[in-house]
Amino acid sequence: GENVEQHPSTLSVQEGDSAVIKCTYSDSASNYFPWYKQELGKGPQLIIDIRSNVGEKKDQRIAVTLNKTAKHFSLHITETQPEDSAVYFCAASKGYSTLTFGKGTMLLVSP
Amino acid sequence: EPEVTQTPSHQVTQMGQEVILRCVPISNHLYFYWYRQILGQKVEFLVSFYNNEISEKSEIFDDQFSVERPDGSNFTLKIRSTKLEDSAMYFCASGTGPNTGELFFGEGSRLTVL
Repeated sequence: GENVEQHPSTLSVQEGDSAVIKCTYSDSASNYFPWYKQELGKGPQLIIDIRSNVGEKKDQRIAVTLNKTAKHFSLHITETQPEDSAVYFCAASKGYSTLTFGKGTMLLVSP
Repeated sequence: EPEVTQTPSHQVTQMGQEVILRCVPISNHLYFYWYRQILGQKVEFLVSFYNNEISEKSEIFDDQFSVERPDGSNFTLKIRSTKLEDSAMYFCASGTGPNTGELFFGEGSRLTVL
């Protein structure tokens, strides 16, 4: 089955800096790669996703890149703010149904 | 904004007891899921449900687990005889279809088995 590896497990940045979180996946048939943000005591919330026919996608301060050949994808957050502090999960699936999640990255943005 | 709601938010139970976790998915969604997250670990898929039957399940979803949609709104996860290792946060999610986009997650039900 699919295996998703995520790095780093924790990431501390200063407000205004950029943050990059990287994931690799094992199943070349995976074609959907969402990123979820989980705040303390809440469920995961989708922040951005990318499909395998696209190499990059942006939404304001957030961007995701996908390298299908290398089977890795990354989340980029620019101009980080304290409210970006949360746990971020990458995931992969064939179609959109069963997601395989990475282990998560705790992002801490210091004012 | 429509949301997935889950009850209870926290349940404490004794080992061996039955537990039912309830979810109300978003009303026009047709695909329903249960995931779980053991404290400090990643979110793991348990089961997906469509058209009143299980469409996929993981190795975690053994005979102790069952799901049903008893009426038009609720989607439940039952654990027949809880074990200590069932202690986790259980998330319900729903979506419009396997090829149409995101899953919406509820806020979770924390299960503590003593």
